[in-house]
Amino acid sequence: AQSVTQPDIHITVSEGASLELRCNYSYGATPYLFWYVQSPGQGLQLLLKYFSGDTLVQGIKGFEAEFKRSQSSFNLRKPSVHWSDAAEYFCAVMEYGNKLVFGAGTILRVKS
Amino acid sequence: KAGVTQTPRYLIKTRGQQVTLSCSPISGHRSVSWYQQTPGQGLQFLFEYFSETQRNKGNFPGRFSGRQFSNSRSEMNVSTLELGDSALYLCASSLVGRGMDTGELFFGEGSRLTVL
Repeated sequence: AQSVTQPDIHITVSEGASLELRCNYSYGATPYLFWYVQSPGQGLQLLLKYFSGDTLVQGIKGFEAEFKRSQSSFNLRKPSVHWSDAAEYFCAVMEYGNKLVFGAGTILRVKS
Repeated sequence: KAGVTQTPRYLIKTRGQQVTLSCSPISGHRSVSWYQQTPGQGLQFLFEYFSETQRNKGNFPGRFSGRQFSNSRSEMNVSTLELGDSALYLCASSLVGRGMDTGELFFGEGSRLTVL
C-alpha cells in the first residue's frame, strides 16, 4: 500500500528564516504528489502539486517543492517564513481516482 | 465561484444515534470525496463518488455510507455512532473523476462531529 511519511511532527522557525518540511513517499509508479496546508478550524488548501515534468514545483504563498525520485522525497521549502505561515502542513500522494493518502502532518510554529 | 460547502459545520450527537452530513461541490465538479480527520488516525479516505456512483472506498465499517445526487451534491451517513466517530469530516470536490487527469481536490471547511 502507498504511504507518506512526514518525519517532523513539529517544527519551529523564526520569522524571516528559511523553511524545509520533509516528505517521503512509497509508491510503485510515478507518483502524483501534493502539499496541503490547514489552519486551525479550516479545511485543506492546496499549496502545490507534482504530476510530471520539471521536478521543482512552484506553488502559492511563495512555497516550492522538489521531487527527487532517487530519494522518494518531495520536500516543501520557503525562503523566508512569515508569521501567517503558522499552520499544519500535509504531504499526500494520489492513488487511483481521487484517493489521497496523507502523511501525519507537520505543525509549523513561527516565532517572532 | 463558490467553494465546497459543507453542512452542518458543527454537531453533537450521542452514542447509538445516526448522523447525515451534506456536501455541495464546486459548480461543474462531478467527483466528491470524503475524508475523516482525527488526532489519532490523521486524514483517512472514506469514499469517492463520481456521477452518482461510488468509485472508491476506504477501510471503514459499513456504518459509514454515502451517496451522490444527480446535481453532484453528496451526503454521508454514519449509523450507530460510537465515541471514536468524533472527528472532522472533510468533503472534497474535483473537476474530473477518472484517472489522474487533474488530481486537484478542493476541500470544504468540514463538519465537526462530537459524539457523547
